[in-house]
Amino acid sequence: QQQVKQSPQSLIVQKGGISIINCAYENTAFDYFPWYQQFPGKGPALLIAIRPDVSEKKEGRFTISFNKSAKQFSLHIMDSQPGDSATYFCAARGGGFQKLVFGTGTRLLVSP
Amino acid sequence: NAGVTQTPKFRILKIGQSMTLQCTQDMNHNYMYWYRQDPGMGLKLIYYSVGAGITDKGEVPNGYNVSRSTTEDFPLRLELAAPSQTSVYFCASMWSSGVYNEQFFGPGTRLTVL
Repeated sequence: QQQVKQSPQSLIVQKGGISIINCAYENTAFDYFPWYQQFPGKGPALLIAIRPDVSEKKEGRFTISFNKSAKQFSLHIMDSQPGDSATYFCAARGGGFQKLVFGTGTRLLVSP
Repeated sequence: NAGVTQTPKFRILKIGQSMTLQCTQDMNHNYMYWYRQDPGMGLKLIYYSVGAGITDKGEVPNGYNVSRSTTEDFPLRLELAAPSQTSVYFCASMWSSGVYNEQFFGPGTRLTVL
């Protein structure tokens, strides 16, 4: 119940295309859903996050869509750029002390 | 601010050796976390601390120990290293006030146990 399932494991998108990464969870006590971006050799960094009482959040080219009834959320990257090539992790907060449960990650490659 | 710093960046250990991974943050954050990252497995929480002198186990604590004597430092100790501890280790910190807070990650320590 503490798992967050993420797909796909890897993704190749043409420059200018839309990248979509999906996550699903079981624990309805999760109350905050951030996405982290990680470049090779670096630590993860917060990209965008959403609360479960909101169905969509947009920041620039990045959008989170949240479906509470289906217990699913997804990251959409519009107009994908080579600089977006990175590993993306979804996460969910639960279990107290602001602990995060992470998905297994998606390696995105945006081809020029 | 340097943020979250970790040392060393890389380390190779022999089976049975011990070492301490250092983590320091200069943001006066009260919460700190240790994760390990294995290929295809995401990040798994090893230990966390909610303040100086207070630590607790995460999802994968076996083979590790931590201490938190100051707000700034949160070292992770590996005793009797095993090949299964080969991983990339990340330290993170966060200020707990407010409802939706960001964990700030360090650059990681890549550890190989042979």
